[in-house]
Amino acid sequence: QQQVKQSPQSLIVQKGGISIINCAYENTAFDYFPWYQQFPGKGPALLIAIRPDVSEKKEGRFTISFNKSAKQFSLHIMDSQPGDSATYFCAASLAIGGSQGNLIFGKGTKLSVKP
Amino acid sequence: DGGITQSPKYLFRKEGQNVTLSCEQNLNHDAMYWYRQDPGQGLRLIYYSQIVNDFQKGDIAEGYSVSREKKESFPLTVTSAQKNPTAFYLCASSMIAGGLNEQFFGPGTRLTVL
Repeated sequence: QQQVKQSPQSLIVQKGGISIINCAYENTAFDYFPWYQQFPGKGPALLIAIRPDVSEKKEGRFTISFNKSAKQFSLHIMDSQPGDSATYFCAASLAIGGSQGNLIFGKGTKLSVKP
Repeated sequence: DGGITQSPKYLFRKEGQNVTLSCEQNLNHDAMYWYRQDPGQGLRLIYYSQIVNDFQKGDIAEGYSVSREKKESFPLTVTSAQKNPTAFYLCASSMIAGGLNEQFFGPGTRLTVL
């Protein structure tokens, strides 16, 4: 019930291509879905997040698509650049305060963008 | 310059020794968290604190201990009871606990048991 499953584990994309990372969750009560980006040797940083009241959110080259009925959400990186090479984590939680709002993270996807 | 600092960056420990990882934040955040990161395992919650002098166990608290005596500090002790302590440890904070509150992460401490 509390798992977030992320795929693929690793991804290699050519510069200018589209990177797609998928996540699936089990707990239908989850209503906050952030994506974090982590560069090697650094801590993760929030990239973009979505609530289930919208099916898509776009910020620059990064887009989250959300499918509530399928309990799935995905990150699309358009025009991928070598500087996007990092590990990406999806997460899910309840959009409420306190311990019930703790983030549940996927296992991560290591993205490599080849020049 | 606001943020979260963790020290040391690298830490080596002999088996059977306790070791304490430091986490300090100057963001005036109430909530703080400790995560463990292993290759291919994502981030797993060890302990979290919603407010000073209060903390709760996360998913993998066995072999770890914490304290929250000051708002800005949340040290993690890895005890000799932790069977496999070699990992990358991340500290995070948020304005208040949970939900929509963005978690800000420190740069991490890589612990290696020799």
